[in-house]
Amino acid sequence: DAKTTQPTSMDCAEGRAANLPCNHSTISGNEYVYWYRQIHSQGPQYIIHGLKNNETNEMASLIITEDRKSSTLILPHATLRDTAVYYCIVSPRRGGSNYKLTFGKGTLLTVNP
Amino acid sequence: DVKVTQSSRYLVKRTGEKVFLECVQDMDHENMFWYRQDPGLGLRLIYFSYDVKMKEKGDIPEGYSVSREKKERFSLILESASTNQTSMYLCASSPLAGAPQRGYNEQFFGPGTRLTVL
Repeated sequence: DAKTTQPTSMDCAEGRAANLPCNHSTISGNEYVYWYRQIHSQGPQYIIHGLKNNETNEMASLIITEDRKSSTLILPHATLRDTAVYYCIVSPRRGGSNYKLTFGKGTLLTVNP
Repeated sequence: DVKVTQSSRYLVKRTGEKVFLECVQDMDHENMFWYRQDPGLGLRLIYFSYDVKMKEKGDIPEGYSVSREKKERFSLILESASTNQTSMYLCASSPLAGAPQRGYNEQFFGPGTRLTVL
């Protein structure tokens, strides 16, 4: 799996947009970008994924650069409950033995009141 | 909703004991996973299973074994627990044919078991 680089921690004010960057410069053509988050004392939870187009769902937006070497997860109006560790993962679309998701250390996002 | 349950939230064992961590999922998922999570190291995959009685080593299988006798249950076994196996253990499952709107690869996690080996 391609490796990702994320900042160790970030802060955001409640109600403001949180923009979490991720570098994945060695991503290959068949690999997706996935974002998961882990709230304290819980297991990780899927947020969003993308291949090359920008994506939006009820939780977040994902912006992937044209060269696919980096991406940004956007939480448009961060709340205190969004305080969590956010993981950026690149992985092939499922098939064969490609079931694994390799979690790195992630970014601890702290949303402040 | 998918539910992944783990047998204990907290567990304390002594060095040398045999430890079983149990995970059950109720959504008929083919794939199941065991991770451990340590401060500063993130989540690391120990073993995974893509079918009953099938298993594959993850990134850190040493000191662990697994058992999958039934589709819904995946057990992690520490044959002789050691203090360096003190950690948070997380179980996950995923369907063989993942939902395209979820990236085909969504994993569902349990709440975790915090194991302390004294």
